[in-house]
Amino acid sequence: AQSVTQPDIHITVSEGASLELRCNYSYGATPYLFWYVQSPGQGLQLLLKYFSGDTLVQGIKGFEAEFKRSQSSFNLRKPSVHWSDAAEYFCAVGAFQGGSEKLVFGKGTKLTVNP
Amino acid sequence: EPEVTQTPSHQVTQMGQEVILRCVPISNHLYFYWYRQILGQKVEFLVSFYNNEISEKSEIFDDQFSVERPDGSNFTLKIRSTKLEDSAMYFCASGGLAYEQYFGPGTRLTVT
Repeated sequence: AQSVTQPDIHITVSEGASLELRCNYSYGATPYLFWYVQSPGQGLQLLLKYFSGDTLVQGIKGFEAEFKRSQSSFNLRKPSVHWSDAAEYFCAVGAFQGGSEKLVFGKGTKLTVNP
Repeated sequence: EPEVTQTPSHQVTQMGQEVILRCVPISNHLYFYWYRQILGQKVEFLVSFYNNEISEKSEIFDDQFSVERPDGSNFTLKIRSTKLEDSAMYFCASGGLAYEQYFGPGTRLTVT
């Protein structure tokens, strides 16, 4: 069955520091991978997605993610974090084989940004 | 920028009561979804809806749940007889393509 693991429940970084959030997935077919962000009281906002092609994908708000098939990973990065990036981040895999449309989510990583 | 909206933001109900959670998807989208997140747990898929019918549902989506698109703009999730374990945040999502899903802010359902 498809699954997503986000090993870090909570990460704290200083404003201006670089950020990497880890995501590992398990899926038998070609994965469709997503990162969503949820600010308090807000919905899940799509940051970026990978379907195929270039393994380094750019998203909104200066985020990027790299797909590494050999490591079954899709880590999210940002070179310089802003205080407004404090939120919860969810990695998801599209379990789209056989006509399914569901997303399978990780448990999320909560990001705290110190001034 | 168009967005998915959900009402109410918070619903409190007593066990055994029926609730209807409402969603207004993005206007030109064709694919509709419900997910839920029990506190401290993962966001879980409930159901997908396309062309006026359910295209897929999870094992969570039993006979107590139903979805409807009563008009051209709303998409609803009904829980017929709520249980304590139905307490969760319920997210609606819509997509113009099957592989892109845009989420609403959620409805927090509390069953007492």
